[in-house]
Amino acid sequence: QSVLTQPPSVSGAPGQRVTISCTGSSSNIGAGYDVHWYQQVPGTAPKLLIYGNTNRPSGVPDRFSGSKSDTSASLAITGLQAEDEADYYCQSYDNSLSAWRVFGGGTKLTVL
Amino acid sequence: EVQLLESGGGLVETGGSLRLSCAASGFTFSSYAMSWVRQAPGMGLEWVSIISGSDGTPSYAGSVKGRFTISRDNSKNTLYLQMKSLRAEDTASYYCAKMRGVSPANYYFDYWGQGTLVTVSS
Repeated sequence: QSVLTQPPSVSGAPGQRVTISCTGSSSNIGAGYDVHWYQQVPGTAPKLLIYGNTNRPSGVPDRFSGSKSDTSASLAITGLQAEDEADYYCQSYDNSLSAWRVFGGGTKLTVL
Repeated sequence: EVQLLESGGGLVETGGSLRLSCAASGFTFSSYAMSWVRQAPGMGLEWVSIISGSDGTPSYAGSVKGRFTISRDNSKNTLYLQMKSLRAEDTASYYCAKMRGVSPANYYFDYWGQGTLVTVSS
């Protein structure tokens, strides 16, 4: 049971828009801590996708965007492409646990 | 170019020990906090430990506290994870990751190594 809750899977056709939610609580996202997102293609290491809720590292297409509100955050992907098929993880900080840096359980994105 | 190269994984018996290393290059190693993150087969990501850049202050997830020790040698640009009293549930790929951010609570993992697999079996 992850501290941050993500849907296990989402899917969309090429060119469509999909969103992935990340729901937390008052001890993590709701406490004002930043949310970060990572993309992991199966068999490879995770890659930073969004940091500080809304910021894209250099090289990440602007098709990827992040938002945060209250106790949740979202990752939006527009103009879906086959190469976007991967697992996506949100991450934040929790001030009530012994594992302060917490991840969501991950969402598998399937491009139909 | 930032590069992180883990080594030291392998098969170990329950209750055994293992030391992982992560050789870093392409950035000023001593200036950044570093972490270990693990991923059990077919599962999600789990943060394991972090060590600050300058004074080497460590923190651990509850699941490994008292059994794992993180350390760094800034003269060798190398991060370590000493693992003792290993359990079957420690079986995972272990990634080292460079951390960045405006404040420790808001640090994120901006670069990751390719991972090293640790298998704990009786």
